[in-house]
This record gives sequence, structure tokens and C-alpha cells, in this order.
Amino acid sequence: EDQVTQSPEALRLQEGESSSLNCSYTVSGLRGLFWYRQDPGKGPEFLFTLYSAGEEKEKERLKATLTKKESFLHITAPKPEDSATYLCAVQAWAGNYGQNFVFGPGTRLSVLP
Amino acid sequence: EAGVVQSPRYKIIEKKQPVAFWCNPISGHNTLYWYLQNLGQGPELLIRYENEEAVDDSQLPKDRFSAERLKGVDSTLKIQPAELGDSAVYLCASRIDSGGEQFFGPGTRLTVL
Repeated sequence: EDQVTQSPEALRLQEGESSSLNCSYTVSGLRGLFWYRQDPGKGPEFLFTLYSAGEEKEKERLKATLTKKESFLHITAPKPEDSATYLCAVQAWAGNYGQNFVFGPGTRLSVLP
Repeated sequence: EAGVVQSPRYKIIEKKQPVAFWCNPISGHNTLYWYLQNLGQGPELLIRYENEEAVDDSQLPKDRFSAERLKGVDSTLKIQPAELGDSAVYLCASRIDSGGEQFFGPGTRLTVL
């Protein structure tokens, strides 16, 4: 069964305090790993897609990396506006259904001024 | 480019009543997803459409949930009758094909009393 876990569940940072969020996955045939940001009362907003181990993507203060078993979302010098829930999702082969898309529970990030 | 549109944004009903949610995906996106998201958790897939065909409805509780995507564009998700445990946010997402990122709508928050 495809599974995605995220840690920590919640993270509080001071503005400028860099840190990393973890996404660990167990899937049968990874087709892609996705990071999303979700603000309260809104739908998830796409950030990155990673397809193979060793791949890295960057956007402003965010950098996503991928290994064979996990992905990290590194946040450098965060600002209060980076406060949100960060969701990780994997797309995997799913036999007769062609693909399976599984989300992790998310990490709630709070950046204090 | 307009994003994924969902309506209504909020719905409050009494248990045993029917309810319907509507989704208009991004123009040209042939894949459409319905997800359920409980508080503090990641989205869980209910059904996936490729054009007008439901290619994965394995997680849809078919005794009370139904969905349709006429003409491969708009989609409707229905619950009849609603139960207290159905209170959640119902998200619609679309993507241009079977690969790549999904784009989410704002969701419909359902409260069943």
C-alpha cells in the first residue's frame, strides 16, 4: 500500500530561522513527488514536482530535494507570509487504475515575526 | 487563465438531507479529481475522471456518494443522504493530462448537523 508521512506535524520558527520539512514515502513505482502549500480556507497551491532521486527545485526561499525514500522542503530565512500547511503528495503506479495519488497529512508551519 | 471553480463555498445541511457540489475545471484539463479533506489531514481521493470516464472510483462510498462529469468538462458530486461524518472540505482538482501537477479549487466546506 502506498503511504506518505510528513514530519514534524507542526513547526514554529522565528523569522529568519531556516529549517527543513520531511516527507517520507513508500510506493510501488514513483512517478512523481509534489509539494503544495495550503493556506486556511483555500485549496492547495502547487509548489514543486520532483521525478527522480537527486533532483532539486528552488523557488524564492524554498528548495525541494528528493531521495529514493524521502523528500525535504528546505526553507531559508523564512518570513511570516511563509506560514501555511505544506503538503507532500506522491503519484505512483496503481495497476488497473493506472495511477495512484496519495497525500501526506501535512506540516503546519508558523513563522513568527 | 481562470482557475478551478467550485460552488458553493459553504453548505450547512441536516443529516439525511441530500447535497451537491459543482466543479468547473481549468479549460483544456481533461483529468478531474474529487477529494475529501478532514481538518488537519491531507486530501483523500474520492474519484478521478479522464474526460467523461470515471477511471478510479475505488474510494468513493457508492452507497451514498455519486458523481458525474457530463461532456468531460464540469462535474457534480452528490451525497444522499448525508451523515454527520461527511462534514469536511470537498476539493476539486484538474490537470491537463495524466501526468504533471494538479490545480485545486478553493473547496466546499460541508457541515452536517
